[in-house]
Amino acid sequence: AQTVTQSQPEMSVQEAETVTLSCTYDTSESDYYLFWYKQPPSRQMILVIRQEAYKQQNATENRFSVNFQKAAKSFSLKISDSQLGDAAMYFCAYRSARYGGSQGNLIFGKGTKLSVKP
Amino acid sequence: GAGVSQSPSNKVTEKGKDVELRCDPISGHTALYWYRQRLGQGLEFLIYFQGNSAPDKSGLPSDRFSAERTGESVSTLTIQRTQQEDSAVYLCASSSRMNEQFFGPGTRLTVL
Repeated sequence: AQTVTQSQPEMSVQEAETVTLSCTYDTSESDYYLFWYKQPPSRQMILVIRQEAYKQQNATENRFSVNFQKAAKSFSLKISDSQLGDAAMYFCAYRSARYGGSQGNLIFGKGTKLSVKP
Repeated sequence: GAGVSQSPSNKVTEKGKDVELRCDPISGHTALYWYRQRLGQGLEFLIYFQGNSAPDKSGLPSDRFSAERTGESVSTLTIQRTQQEDSAVYLCASSSRMNEQFFGPGTRLTVL
C-alpha cells in the first residue's frame, strides 16, 4: 500500500521569505501523480500544484514550485515571496496512474500547518 | 455549477441517530469521491463513484456507512447509528478526465 509522510507538523515563515515543506512517499508503482493541496480555515481544499511522475521537470506555478526526486521518493514544496494569504494547512497527496484518466483516490499525508509572520 | 457543493455545512446529531450528507459535484464530472478528515489529520478515502457505480468501497470504515449516486450527479453518504468516533469533516470531490479533483467545502459532523 502507498503511504505519504509529512514530517513537519508546523512551519513558520516571515512574510516575503521562502519556505520549503517536506513530503516523502512510499510506492512500488512507477507511474503516479503527486499533488500539493492547501486548506485554509474555510476547509476548502485548493490544488496548489501537480506533478506527473514520468516528467523529470519540476512543476512550477507562480510562487510555488516543487523539488521532485523520484529515486528518493521525495516531493517538497517551495513557496517563494511568502504572503499572509499563504497561511494554511498544506497536504501532500499521491494518486496511482494505473487506472488512467480521472480514476483513483488520493492518499494524503497528515499535513503541515504553515504560519506566515508579518 | 460553479463548484462542488455540500450540505449541510454543519450537522450536530445524537449518538445512535442516522445522518445523510449530500454532495453536488461539478456538472459533467463523472468521478466522485468521499473523504473523511478527523481533527488535525489528513483526509481518509471512503468511497469512489464512476458514474452511478461504486467500483471502490474499500475505505468505508464499517457497514454503518453507505453511499449512493444517482443520475451521475448528486451523491448521498449515509451513516447509520452514529458513534462519537464518526465526528469529522466529510469532504466530497469530483473530477473529469483531467485528473484534478475539485473539492467541496465539506460537512462538519459532530456526534454528541
